[in-house]
Amino acid sequence: DAGVTQSPTHLIKTRGQQVTLRCSPKSGHDTVSWYQQALGQGPQFIFQYYEEEERQRGNFPDRFSGHQYPNYSSELNVNALLLGDSALYLCASSLVAGPTYEQYFGPGTRLTVT
Amino acid sequence: AQKVTQAQTEISVVEKEDVTLDCVYETRDTTYYLFWYKQPPSGELVFLIRRNSFDEQNEISGRYSWNFQKSTSSFNFTITASQVVDSAVYFCALNGLSGGYNKLIFGAGTRLAVHP
Repeated sequence: DAGVTQSPTHLIKTRGQQVTLRCSPKSGHDTVSWYQQALGQGPQFIFQYYEEEERQRGNFPDRFSGHQYPNYSSELNVNALLLGDSALYLCASSLVAGPTYEQYFGPGTRLTVT
Repeated sequence: AQKVTQAQTEISVVEKEDVTLDCVYETRDTTYYLFWYKQPPSGELVFLIRRNSFDEQNEISGRYSWNFQKSTSSFNFTITASQVVDSAVYFCALNGLSGGYNKLIFGAGTRLAVHP
């Protein structure tokens, strides 16, 4: 049973560029959440997708956008990259939106902005 | 507002020592959930436990145990007879009604180093 997968593993971009990160949820899961984890800090919630719609959003600017496909996979897009966007980006999936289903996390994508 | 505080930034112990990781949370929700996750060097967050606000029973799972006290808004995690494989960053997290139950609020984490 495949867990949550993310691609790419590492990415280096230049300020001002755009980046797309991808996530495939655990088999059978329909909800995907994205988190940003800066070095030495805890993960921060970016947004969550369910039924191909953004259900909730954290305190992140509009430069951060996402998408969920009919097969439940998801993308995180970040435009006009800033140095401060350098972080580990974690994708988490769950069976349904709600607290009773633990979120399973992927290994993350390490984004470095130079 | 919801907040999770893990005051211990780093803890270093010798193998077989017991160690307790502290977690204090803030929320105005009456219904909420608390979690502990482990993050090994590989980066993937590993789910350890979920506890809802109506269940204050302590839980034990092998060498791991959790102490939930609503009176002090704490959800502490104890590892008994620590092992080198326990070395990781541990995060406490909160999920509540006011957050739509959709987002986890994480603490800053506690880095545990277990030395042989």
